[in-house]
Amino acid sequence: GAGVSQTPSNKVTEKGKYVELRCDPISGHTALYWYRQSLGQGPEFLIYFQGTGAADDSGLPNDRFFAVRPEGSVSTLKIQRTERGDSAVYLCASSPGTSGPRQFFGPGTRLTVL
Amino acid sequence: GENVEQHPSTLSVQEGDSAVIKCTYSDSASNYFPWYKQELGKGPQLIIDIRSNVGEKKDQRIAVTLNKTAKHFSLHITETQPEDSAVYFCAVRMIGNEKLTFGTGTRLTIIP
Repeated sequence: GAGVSQTPSNKVTEKGKYVELRCDPISGHTALYWYRQSLGQGPEFLIYFQGTGAADDSGLPNDRFFAVRPEGSVSTLKIQRTERGDSAVYLCASSPGTSGPRQFFGPGTRLTVL
Repeated sequence: GENVEQHPSTLSVQEGDSAVIKCTYSDSASNYFPWYKQELGKGPQLIIDIRSNVGEKKDQRIAVTLNKTAKHFSLHITETQPEDSAVYFCAVRMIGNEKLTFGTGTRLTIIP
């Protein structure tokens, strides 16, 4: 596809459940980022991948959050034992990596934890 | 860490007039400054960006100016149109760091 895609667009879950959010970056982009956006706020950085490895995971709030990118393309953000405070829009972005700093965002996944 | 402040939080402008949004940052090692436009229910869309070795950049009705000494940069939109109504975010990236730190956003409303 032409842009970053994310699935699902909406996810409603119950407190304590496990969720997976998927991101398909722009083809050829080696860098991939996850951000979280709470209502009325700017996106906040969670984790950054260069290729298959997590180069910076300093934004992950705690060990309930984990992300993978096993083949250097699609990435999955995994949240265990969800809490109501995890409710937010989870945004994925990709960039060409070393050939440019521009980050292009997907439409996001709105996660609601009841 | 980097701290980014954005003003104003809301801005209403008559159609055809100009709009200016300003951001200040704390770390002088920052070297990349993008602006994003976010419409309701959508992801942020990159509209213009500037690097620290440039003072100004323009793309049609949109321009960004950077003052490295004062550590602030501004978005200028001229001849505003109703479709410019959205939330605008500034962001900053530090040298040696890939993450973006975002401002708190400005809700711009263009009054027809």
